[in-house]
This record gives sequence, C-alpha cells and structure tokens, in this order.
Amino acid sequence: NAGVTQTPKFRVLKTGQSMTLLCAQDMNHEYMYWYRQDPGMGLRLIHYSVGEGTTAKGEVPDGYNVSRLKKQNFLLGLESAAPSQTSVYFCASGRLAGGPAGELFFGEGSRLTVL
Amino acid sequence: EDQVTQSPEALRLQEGESSSLNCSYTVSGLRGLFWYRQDPGKGPEFLFTLYSAGEEKEKERLKATLTKKESFLHITAPKPEDSATYLCAVRAGVLSGKLIFGQGTTLQVKP
Repeated sequence: NAGVTQTPKFRVLKTGQSMTLLCAQDMNHEYMYWYRQDPGMGLRLIHYSVGEGTTAKGEVPDGYNVSRLKKQNFLLGLESAAPSQTSVYFCASGRLAGGPAGELFFGEGSRLTVL
Repeated sequence: EDQVTQSPEALRLQEGESSSLNCSYTVSGLRGLFWYRQDPGKGPEFLFTLYSAGEEKEKERLKATLTKKESFLHITAPKPEDSATYLCAVRAGVLSGKLIFGQGTTLQVKP
C-alpha cells in the first residue's frame, strides 16, 4: 500500500519563485493536513481539510495556499517563496471515524530550501 | 490559545534506565491527546490515543498516562531501538479536525 505520498521529496527555490507540493493518499481518509517541521519547533499546522472541497487555516497559514479538489489529493502552494519557508513539509491524512481518533498517517516529507 | 509543551527537549539514557517524558497542554475542550514516534528522516508514526484523565495505554516498553493538565510517556527498561523523537499532540473540538503538536522530546538510548 502506498499510504501517503508526497511529491517532490526535495526542491530548491529562489526567493520569489512559486511552487506546489502534492500530497496523495489512497486510504479514503476524510481529513488531510499540511505541517512544517523546523529544528526545535516540532510540527506546526499550516492548513488542513476535513473533506473534499473544504480547507481551514492552522497555526502558521501566512504565505501558503491549499486546495482539496479531490478527496485523495491535498495541494500546498507557495506563491512567492521566502527564505523563512525553508523547512521540511509533512502531509498527513486521517479518518473521520472507524479508527483511533488522532491516528494520522504521515508522508515521508518534502524538504524545501529557499535561497 | 491552544498550546502543547513537551519536556525535556532531549534525554539521554543508558539501556535499561527507565524514565518519563512530559507533555503539558492548554486547550479549550480537549478531545484527545496523542503520542507519536518519529525516526530521523521519516514522518511521525502513531502510538497512542488518550481521552480522559486517569486513562492509560501500553505498548511494549511504553506506557502513556493522562491527567487534566498533562500526559506522561513512561519508558521502562529502554533499548537502543527506542531512540527517536517522541511527539505529543492534542485535538480541540469534536469537528475541528485540528491537531496541534508539541515540539517533541528527542530520546537517545545508549547500549
């Protein structure tokens, strides 16, 4: 089973460039999340979605946009990348019901460097 | 504002030396506290869910407990393979779907 797949795994951008990170899950999960992880700061929630066509802001949403047009995909966009957005980005998905609440399945991460 | 704080930031243990990790939280309407394990270069993996004060969950050498203000992850007789970063998270509100993580405790167990 693929689980949660993130693409790309590595990317280097110049300041001001735009890009999109793609997250795909094959578990038919309702919830999907984008987190960023920086040294000493744990995981910080950027945006999340509780179902197809819905999105909501997390703790650190500024400078990012998201879309969930299909249930299995959750896209994270950076319109104008800044060095402060250098980080490791994790996508996760979870069930609405039928399993332990809070059991998220994470991707392997996408390492983004903005020069 | 919902907040999760973990301590210590880092912990070094000798193999077999038991200890505890702490997760304190401030949240309006707790709807679950969760523990995850993260290995270097990997995404976090789910360990436990705790819902109410007094609840305990166990898995091998790990036991998680919950009070009204904090949770502990007890590690009994750890082995080197227990070395990882341990993260706790809370969910506030039944329908929000929002999970907030602490900054993690990095555990190193030396043989």
